[in-house]
Amino acid sequence: ETGVTQTPRHLVMGMTNKKSLKCEQHLGHNAMYWYKQSAKKPLELMFVYNFKEQTENNSVPSRFSPECPNSSHLFLHLHTLQPEDSALYLCASGTTYNEQFFGPGTRLTVL
Amino acid sequence: AQSVAQPEDQVNVAEGNPLTVKCTYSVSGNPYLFWYVQYPNRGLQFLLKYITGDNLVKGSYGFEAEFNKSQTSFHLKKPSALVSDSALYFCAVRDIRNFNKFYFGSGTKLNVKP
Repeated sequence: ETGVTQTPRHLVMGMTNKKSLKCEQHLGHNAMYWYKQSAKKPLELMFVYNFKEQTENNSVPSRFSPECPNSSHLFLHLHTLQPEDSALYLCASGTTYNEQFFGPGTRLTVL
Repeated sequence: AQSVAQPEDQVNVAEGNPLTVKCTYSVSGNPYLFWYVQYPNRGLQFLLKYITGDNLVKGSYGFEAEFNKSQTSFHLKKPSALVSDSALYFCAVRDIRNFNKFYFGSGTKLNVKP
């Protein structure tokens, strides 16, 4: 266990559904990240929050909406997704000069 | 632009033999380099990092990596592979102009056969 938890671990949703992914860390880290991992592609950085403020939005479609209410929690709200959005979504946390700690991921399938 | 490349999609090695997983990088300035491992249905786990200092970095589970500035490489190595080392390995570089950003390679699948 890395100290970063993600729920749910698996999610199947239709294109018209609305769902949310949750990430939680109690490591005292100031930064939290969302990544998308698709087969045989590099990890895609989606969003970065630093001290609850969004510092990066890597041209992510608006059907993905992040929320960071405090330094320990990060959400990814999903609505009207497409089948190509099916992937493993990874949350990570870290500090300014050190490595990232990753959660186990949420396996998302969009039907 | 900052980037890393892992030229091999897959590496096969026999148990007990040495292993090398290759990574090359492209950065402006001094690199902050990392290796992570991912087991099936798990997130990425940190193995080791190079920030500064000795070019040979030792990490978890007996892994080490050699930083070579002239060849812009940061290859992951282990003297004697175990079957349990079979996993997906990722090299990453931190953007020194924006410490919030990391760039990951596409990953190398390591297969260690008994």
